[in-house]
Amino acid sequence: GAGVSQSPRYKVAKRGQDVALRCDPISGHVSLFWYQQALGQGPEFLTYFQNEAQLDKSGLPSDRFFAERPEGSVSTLKIQRTQQEDSAVYLCASSPSQGSGNQPQHFGDGTRLSIL
Amino acid sequence: SQKIEQNSEALNIQEGKTATLTCNYTNYSPAYLQWYRQDPGRGPVFLLLIRENEKEKRKERLKVTFDTTLKQSLFHITASQPADSATYLCAPALGSNYQLIWGAGTKLIIKP
Repeated sequence: GAGVSQSPRYKVAKRGQDVALRCDPISGHVSLFWYQQALGQGPEFLTYFQNEAQLDKSGLPSDRFFAERPEGSVSTLKIQRTQQEDSAVYLCASSPSQGSGNQPQHFGDGTRLSIL
Repeated sequence: SQKIEQNSEALNIQEGKTATLTCNYTNYSPAYLQWYRQDPGRGPVFLLLIRENEKEKRKERLKVTFDTTLKQSLFHITASQPADSATYLCAPALGSNYQLIWGAGTKLIIKP
């Protein structure tokens, strides 16, 4: 597709369940980012991939959060044993080349996660 | 710690006027600063990137300034239109290998 695609758009889960969020970046993009956005706030960085390598996972809030990009294209963010504070919009972004601060990021429309 | 401040209150501007949004940062010196637009229920959309050695950058009706002494970036929309109504986010970065740090955004409302 022409842009970054995320699925599902909405996810409702009960506390304690595991969830998996998918991101299809723009074809050929080297860099992939995951962010968490709370209502009324800016995105908060979670993790960064350069191709299949996870170069920065400093933003993952706990070991319940896990991300992968095994073939350097599609990425999955997994949250285990979900808690209510995990409720947020999860955004994925991609960029054509390596690097973070020096190039535009192309965002998907996010997955809105609600934990009951 | 690094802190990004944007006007938390919504900015109401009359159509046709220039809208000016402010982004202040403290406790660091970014090499790059990016501005994005976000509509409700959508992901951010990139608008402009400015480097620390650039004072000003323009794109159509948009203009961004970067004052490293004041630690401030200003984002201007000239001849504003109701379609410009959105939340605008600023995101500085220390360098090319550093992550963007995002402000909370300013909601801009252009009234016809």
